Amino acid sequence: EVQLVESGGGLVQPGGSLRLSCAASGFTFSDYWMSWVRQAPGKGLEWVGRIKRDGSETQYVDSVKGRFTVSRDNAKNTLYLQLNSLRAEDTAVYYCARDELNDWGQGTLVIVSS
Amino acid sequence: QAGLTQPPSVSKDLRQTATLTCTGNSNNVANEGAVWLQQHQGHPPKLLSYRSNNRPSGISERFSASRSGNTASLTVTGLQPEDEADYYCSAWDISLSAWVFGGGTRLTVL
Repeated sequence: EVQLVESGGGLVQPGGSLRLSCAASGFTFSDYWMSWVRQAPGKGLEWVGRIKRDGSETQYVDSVKGRFTVSRDNAKNTLYLQLNSLRAEDTAVYYCARDELNDWGQGTLVIVSS
Repeated sequence: QAGLTQPPSVSKDLRQTATLTCTGNSNNVANEGAVWLQQHQGHPPKLLSYRSNNRPSGISERFSASRSGNTASLTVTGLQPEDEADYYCSAWDISLSAWVFGGGTRLTVL
């Protein structure tokens, strides 16, 4: 059974940083592209970025380019999202998702507020 | 970045059929197909249909997806109370190199 478990969310001040993790199990992690998707309170889904199977390529939505970084450690079966220069509009539940959005974690909440 | 277009809400009677639409363009839906996701309040999204329009294991046959040109559709037959949820479509956009989402359709079962 595929399991994705996010962690690392919390309250952070504007301009601050946070690192999210997504622990994967139940599948061969290194075989799949992995994505981060976020959902602001009461709003729809927004794709944030993704990383290739071996970590050699990343892609991002324009609004986070230069501020967020997706990385992975295939030895630890873990996906990461480094969030820098955070803004109030980055407040959201952040989900990790496997491959073509096939499987999702429960999400971790990031609140950017002073 | 440009997204996909979904009607904000659809309401149908119990046991009736609902068809949800998702309109994109030649860079996403028409070229790559769309996935459909169901999200109940307070829960993560769940995949209902792959880009190929096939269902993942465990998804009811009452859910079926199709595509015609720039528009993807999800048909839900024999509506049940538990089908009341938000439904999102998403597609890979080859021009943006990004997954784009629709704004979501809230399905209400009367």
